[in-house]
Amino acid sequence: AQSVSQHNHHVILSEAASLELGCNYSYGGTVNLFWYVQYPGQHLQLLLKYFSGDPLVKGIKGFEAEFIKSKFSFNLRKPSVQWSDTAEYFCAFSFSGGYNKLIFGAGTRLAVHP
Amino acid sequence: GAGVSQTPSNKVTEKGKYVELRCDPISGHTALYWYRQSLGQGPEFLIYFQGTGAADDSGLPNDRFFAVRPEGSVSTLKIQRTERGDSAVYLCASSPGQGISGANVLTFGAGSRLTVL
Repeated sequence: AQSVSQHNHHVILSEAASLELGCNYSYGGTVNLFWYVQYPGQHLQLLLKYFSGDPLVKGIKGFEAEFIKSKFSFNLRKPSVQWSDTAEYFCAFSFSGGYNKLIFGAGTRLAVHP
Repeated sequence: GAGVSQTPSNKVTEKGKYVELRCDPISGHTALYWYRQSLGQGPEFLIYFQGTGAADDSGLPNDRFFAVRPEGSVSTLKIQRTERGDSAVYLCASSPGQGISGANVLTFGAGSRLTVL
């Protein structure tokens, strides 16, 4: 069955540290890839998406993600985090034959200390 | 409306009771989705509507769960004979529709937190 693995459940960083959150999906065909973010007390919001083309995609607030097809990965990165990046981050994908369904990972809870 | 609106935001009920959760999608969005998020998990797909019809209900866990969207806008998720295991946040999302390549971005509501005692 299709699934998403997010390697870290909790990450704690200091401000200005670099961030990389791992995401691997299990599906052998064409996929669309997403990162969603949920700030404390807020609803899920789209951070960035990949449909096709350049595998390095840039999202809001300085985040970027790289699609590596051979590794089935879509890791999220940010060179320098801020306290306001404290949130829960969800990787998700949809796939050919099932574009209606987003398959989500369990999420990574990021805490950034000033 | 400006965003996806869900009511109630919180619902506490007793085991065995019937519950309805409402979703009002973004105006003009033809596609509507229900997801369920249990504690410590990511959202899990339940059902997808395109217009008035349920195009994919493969995620509904059993026949106690049912959803409708009679006029192609507001949707109601109905849960009969609630069980403690149904406790979760029920998320609604909408999108303009599905592109040819599946280029489809969902906008989520704040969710309805259901607690079954």
